[in-house]
This record gives sequence, C-alpha cells and structure tokens, in this order.
Amino acid sequence: EPEVTQTPSHQVTQMGQEVILRCVPISNHLYFYWYRQILGQKVEFLVSFYNNEISEKSEIFDDQFSVERPDGSNFTLKIRSTKLEDSAMYFCASTGDPPNYGYTFGSGTRLTVV
Amino acid sequence: SQQGEEDPQALSIQEGENATMNCSYKTSINNLQWYRQNSGRGLVHLILIRSNEREKHSGRLRVTLDTSKKSSSLLITASRAADTASYFCATDKAAGNKLTFGGGTRVLVKP
Repeated sequence: EPEVTQTPSHQVTQMGQEVILRCVPISNHLYFYWYRQILGQKVEFLVSFYNNEISEKSEIFDDQFSVERPDGSNFTLKIRSTKLEDSAMYFCASTGDPPNYGYTFGSGTRLTVV
Repeated sequence: SQQGEEDPQALSIQEGENATMNCSYKTSINNLQWYRQNSGRGLVHLILIRSNEREKHSGRLRVTLDTSKKSSSLLITASRAADTASYFCATDKAAGNKLTFGGGTRVLVKP
C-alpha cells in the first residue's frame, strides 16, 4: 500500500537553530498538509498546499514556518529559529483528487528543541 | 470554530468486548473521519463517512453520523489487544480542506 514517508523520524536541535522536516507524499496525490501534535495534546493543523501554493494556514503557521515542494516528490517544512515550544510530533499528510477519501499520514518526525 | 470532541477520554475493556466512543462537533461538515494512533506513532485512517451518510461499516468497525446532533460514534466489535490505541475523529468543511481533530479516546483492551 502506498505510504507517506517522513524523515528524519527524530530530530534534536538547539534552540534558535533552523530545521527542515522532509516528506515524500504519495506520488499521485495533489493535496499536502502539515500537522503537529504536542505531547498529550490534539493534532493541530499547520498548513495545506495545493497546486504549488499554500491554500490555507493556521495561526500557528507564522513567519517562522515555511513550506516548499522543491521537486516533484518532496514536500518540506522549514522551521526557523526554533523555540522550546516547537517540540512536537510533526505529521505530513496527503490526499488525492478529488479529495473525498481518507488522508494518508506519515509516521511523523519527533522534533525535540533543547 | 468547528471542533471535534471525543467521549469518553479513556476506555478500558476486556478482549472480546465491544468498544464505543463518541465524537461531537460544532459546525457543518463535509466528511467525518476516524483515525487510530498507536503510542508515539502516526495516524492511521480507519473510516470516512460523508455528511449525507448515516452509517458505515468496515470489518469490525461501525460508524454512525447524526448531523442533526452533530455527533458520530465509532464502534469496535469483538475487540482485540491490538486495538489498544488512541482514536481520533476529524472533520473537514469541504473536500481538501484542513482536518480538525478532537482530543481522542484512549482505548485499552486487556487480554
């Protein structure tokens, strides 16, 4: 079964550093998303991406964050100047067109900011 | 803002019993989905029910949707120890839109 692949599975970074979280969505999917889950809390929407541009973003997704689809397969989330409160699981998801089916989530990247 | 909330927050049952959990939301939806998350792992899509559907089955899973009450239920029949996980409902307002997740129900199935 097709999978969404995320790398790395775990990233530890110093406060203030920049991190790039990588995702390879399912190849024929057209809608891409980033979510995060702080330990013990709800899964929160960060950003959605369609047709090579951001289609929606949450309040969390401020200037510290950016997304890119640098080629036909990768979808990245960049977090600049990381803060302790950015520590969370970050999930990438994708869905097909028309997107009336379940979303496929990756296994997540656990980001720990120290 | 629309919000899914699951009830109960935690559920402990014996293997073989049925597990039922509920989800409520606040605004109109397009689809409602249920996901499973094993501890520290990713989200696995279980089942999707459209706003014009009332009930759906998939294997040991049964989902109902009552749009008049803005609520859904997930029933897992004949539970197994491997069903131990957190279960989340998630709603969207339109196809392709963001998912809004509830807080989840932690299910423990004791062997």
